[in-house]
This record gives sequence, C-alpha cells and structure tokens, in this order.
Amino acid sequence: AQSVTQLGSHVSVSEGALVLLRCNYSSSVPPYLFWYVQYPNQGLQLLLKYTTGATLVKGINGFEAEFKKSETSFHLTKPSAHMSDAAEYFCAVTVQGGSEKLVFGKGTKLTVNP
Amino acid sequence: DTGVSQNPRHKITKRGQNVTFRCDPISEHNRLYWYRQTLGQGPEFLTYFQNEAQLEKSRLLSDRFSAERPKGSFSTLEIQRTEQGDSAMYLCATSQGALNTEAFFGQGTRLTVV
Repeated sequence: AQSVTQLGSHVSVSEGALVLLRCNYSSSVPPYLFWYVQYPNQGLQLLLKYTTGATLVKGINGFEAEFKKSETSFHLTKPSAHMSDAAEYFCAVTVQGGSEKLVFGKGTKLTVNP
Repeated sequence: DTGVSQNPRHKITKRGQNVTFRCDPISEHNRLYWYRQTLGQGPEFLTYFQNEAQLEKSRLLSDRFSAERPKGSFSTLEIQRTEQGDSAMYLCATSQGALNTEAFFGQGTRLTVV
C-alpha cells in the first residue's frame, strides 16, 4: 500500500523567501505523485504532477517539485513566496496498475508573512 | 471554479438522521471519486466510479454509507443513521481517463452531526 508523509503541518515564511514543503512517499512500485493546493472555502486544485519522464516538474504559480527515487521524496519549492501563496498544500500518491485512488498526506499549512 | 458542483455546501443534521449529498461532475469526465476530509487530515478515499460502475470501496465506507452514479452522470452519497463521527467535509472529484490525468475537486459538503 502507498503512503505519504508531509513533514511539518505548519510552515511560515516571509514574503519573497524560499518556500520548501516536504513530501516523502512509500510505494513498492513506481508512483505517480501530485501536489494539490487548497485555499479557504475552495476545492483542491492541482499544482503539478509527476508521472514519468523528467524528474523536475514545473507547475502553476511558479511552483516546482523534483522526484527523487533514491530519497523517496517529492518536495515542493518556490523561489519567492507571495502573500497569495498562503494556503494548505497536500501531497498525494497513486500507482499505475493499482487502485484508482489518491492517497494524501495530512497537509502543510503555509503562512506568508509580510 | 473547477466545474465540479457539490450540493449542499453545508448540512447540519441530528444524530440518527439520514443525509444525502450530490455531486455533478464535469460533463465529459467518466471517473468520479468521493473522499472524506476531517480537520487536520488530508482527504481519505471512500469510493470510486467509472461511468456508472462502482469499482472500489474503502473500508471506511461502512454499511451505513451508500453511493450511486445512475447513468454515469451525477452521483449521490447517502449516510444512514448518522453518527457524530461522520462529521467531516465530503469531497467529490472527477477525471477523464487514466490515473495520470488531473482530478478536479468540488468545493465539498461540510456535514455536522449534532
């Protein structure tokens, strides 16, 4: 079975600072990995995904993530935080040939300070 | 606005009552998922439809829960004899095609059982 661990339930950064949200996964087969963002009172929105191919994936709003198989990680980064990035971020995993479900981490709430 | 519509947005019910939620997917999406999200947790998979066929159900989906998707269009999730532990946000997501495609989430139905 797959699982996801997000280190840090709350992360606080200053506007303009680097954003780093950590995600580690567990899977016995090659995974598909996703980052979703949830703004208050809104549904989850896909930021980016890794399925196959290039391990550095770029998403919306300047976010990117790198799939590192050796570290079983898929950390999310953004070079310069903006106030509008304040939200909750969820890492999720699924696998080809298995269940169709997404397995989510517990989420990381990002606060951006002016 | 992702195009996935959930109704109602909020539901308060007394313990022991039955409730039903509705999800209207993006029209061309053949896959529909229900997830449950409690405070401080990521979404947890409940069940999944491909067209009208319910292909997978989580152990979380007790016999008090039932979901349908008649004619592969909208879906309903019913909870019978609600319990306080059922209080959560119920999320619907839909996608077109395989696992590596994007799942679009609705805004959810927040259930409070008093």
